[in-house]
Amino acid sequence: ELKVEQNPLFLSMQEGKNYTIYCNYSTTSDRLYWYRQDPGKSLESLFVLLSNGAVKQEGRLMASLDTKARLSTLHITAAVHDLSATYFCAVGRDRGSTLGRLYFGRGTQLTVWP
Amino acid sequence: DTGVSQDPRHKITKRGQNVTFRCDPISEHNRLYWYRQTLGQGPEFLTYFQNEAQLEKSRLLSDRFSAERPKGSFSTLEIQRTEQGDSAMYLCASSLVQGADNEQFFGPGTRLTVL
Repeated sequence: ELKVEQNPLFLSMQEGKNYTIYCNYSTTSDRLYWYRQDPGKSLESLFVLLSNGAVKQEGRLMASLDTKARLSTLHITAAVHDLSATYFCAVGRDRGSTLGRLYFGRGTQLTVWP
Repeated sequence: DTGVSQDPRHKITKRGQNVTFRCDPISEHNRLYWYRQTLGQGPEFLTYFQNEAQLEKSRLLSDRFSAERPKGSFSTLEIQRTEQGDSAMYLCASSLVQGADNEQFFGPGTRLTVL
């Protein structure tokens, strides 16, 4: 079964600093998704990455995908308090019996402090 | 609001009771998914439908769980004889299978507490 590992699981950072969250997965896939979840809320889609070398940016967040290394990164630039949330990466497959489902990592709980 | 909706948002029940949750997907979406999330974990896949056909069920979905999407629109997830281990957030998502995207949009979830 496809495994998705995120690290770190907990991240506490000061406003204005930069940091990267890593997402590794165990089996070939060409669909990688990043979601944000606020406490007690549902998941909000942030990025969809569909090909090797894909890079997407939205505000202070930038996501990239290296399918050969089975690695995606979520880079945070000049963090602000509003970015405090839990970030999940999820991997999808297009072939075989597991078509359609997403495999999620455990999430990275980000806290940004002044 | 044209997003995914779920009802109820919260459900408290006693062990052994049956519960049913409803999910209304985004109207033009043909795929509907159910996931379960426990505290500190990422969502775990339960089952999904394409139109009215249930295409995959996870091994997590024991015989006490059943899901339907009778007309290819809304879906229900029923848990029979609930156990305390069923306490979790049940998330529904929908997507439109078109091109290479298949981005899944999530509803607000139903939080189940089994006493």
